[in-house]
Amino acid sequence: AQSVSQHNHHVILSEAASLELGCNYSYGGTVNLFWYVQYPGQHLQLLLKYFSGDPLVKGIKGFEAEFIKSKFSFNLRKPSVQWSDTAEYFCAVNSQNTGNQFYFGTGTSLTVIP
Amino acid sequence: DAGVTQSPTHLIKTRGQQVTLRCSPKSGHDTVSWYQQALGQGPQFIFQYYEEEERQRGNFPDRFSGHQFPNYSSELNVNALLLGDSALYLCASSYFGAGSYNEQFFGPGTRLTVL
Repeated sequence: AQSVSQHNHHVILSEAASLELGCNYSYGGTVNLFWYVQYPGQHLQLLLKYFSGDPLVKGIKGFEAEFIKSKFSFNLRKPSVQWSDTAEYFCAVNSQNTGNQFYFGTGTSLTVIP
Repeated sequence: DAGVTQSPTHLIKTRGQQVTLRCSPKSGHDTVSWYQQALGQGPQFIFQYYEEEERQRGNFPDRFSGHQFPNYSSELNVNALLLGDSALYLCASSYFGAGSYNEQFFGPGTRLTVL
């Protein structure tokens, strides 16, 4: 079975600070990678996804993520966070072998202080 | 275009009871997946339905069962409820034809509390 690790459980930043959230996965085959965000009181929404091609993926709201195959990582970044980025962030992975079954990390809670 | 909808929003049950949760997928989607999200954890895959059949199943006991209807909507049933079943239950829909190259759209969830 695949597993996804998010090592940052709680992150607190001031507005305009840069953000990087770590995500590592265990599966060695071809994978698809996703970052989902859950704003307070809202449902999970897709931030960005990687299937193939350019390992640097840009998503909504200025977020980007870099797929580094050799490190089994898919870290999420944003150059300058805003108060409205306060949310729970989840990394997820699936593959051709797992079909539509997504494996999620435990999530990172981000608090941005105005 | 309505997204994924789930009902009810909240539910309180006692140990040993049975519960049924409902989900309507996003328009154009034919596949429904169910996830359990315990407090402080990421969503855990329960199972997935396509063409009214269970296609994949995660590591959940047989107390968890489901159904998909011809209109693609789905139900999640949990029998003999345990305190540990208290969680947010999420429904996600997708298009099966996309295979693993799909984006799952999530509903708002049903918060189940077992007393």
